[in-house]
Amino acid sequence: ETGVTQSPTHLIKTRGQQVTLRCSSQSGHNTVSWYQQALGQGPQFIFQYYREEENGRGNFPPRFSGLQFPNYSSELNVNALELDDSALYLCASSLDSQGPQHFGDGTRLSIL
Amino acid sequence: AQTVTQSQPEMSVQEAETVTLSCTYDTSENNYYLFWYKQPPSRQMILVIRQEAYKQQNATENRFSVNFQKAAKSFSLKISDSQLGDTAMYFCAFMNGNQGGKLIFGQGTELSVKP
Repeated sequence: ETGVTQSPTHLIKTRGQQVTLRCSSQSGHNTVSWYQQALGQGPQFIFQYYREEENGRGNFPPRFSGLQFPNYSSELNVNALELDDSALYLCASSLDSQGPQHFGDGTRLSIL
Repeated sequence: AQTVTQSQPEMSVQEAETVTLSCTYDTSENNYYLFWYKQPPSRQMILVIRQEAYKQQNATENRFSVNFQKAAKSFSLKISDSQLGDTAMYFCAFMNGNQGGKLIFGQGTELSVKP
């Protein structure tokens, strides 16, 4: 059974640029959730996708957007990057929208 | 709004001893779930244990057990026979059963297991 995989592992961008982070869900899981974890903090919920539809969103501006594909993999897109967007971005998948969430290793995004 | 509070930023324990990590939460909901996650320096968030609010029995997973006090809104994690590999950040998390899969995390407790 393949777990949750995220790519890339680490990414460096400059202010104003755009970035796309990718996540492959665990086999059999139809739900993907994205979180932002700033250094020394607990993760903050960005949004969740359930069967290709957004199923809840946290307190993040519209420049954070997402997508889920028919194979249930997902993308997180962030436009107009700001210095405060520097963080670890975690993806988690689950069997359904309320099931236990299993996390990937994360993508470390650094904004210069 | 739901909140999760972990009042112990750091804790340490000797190998083979027992340690308890504290967590309190605030909610007006009756349908919810509570979790403990472990995040080692490798950064992957690993699910340790899950508790459904409607279950009175405390969840147990091998050396890990919880003390769920619903009226007090307390959800502590006990680690027995601590091992060096238990060294990690531990996060308590809440999920509202009526609002989909949003996990609300506490600030974390950094646990060091010393030989």
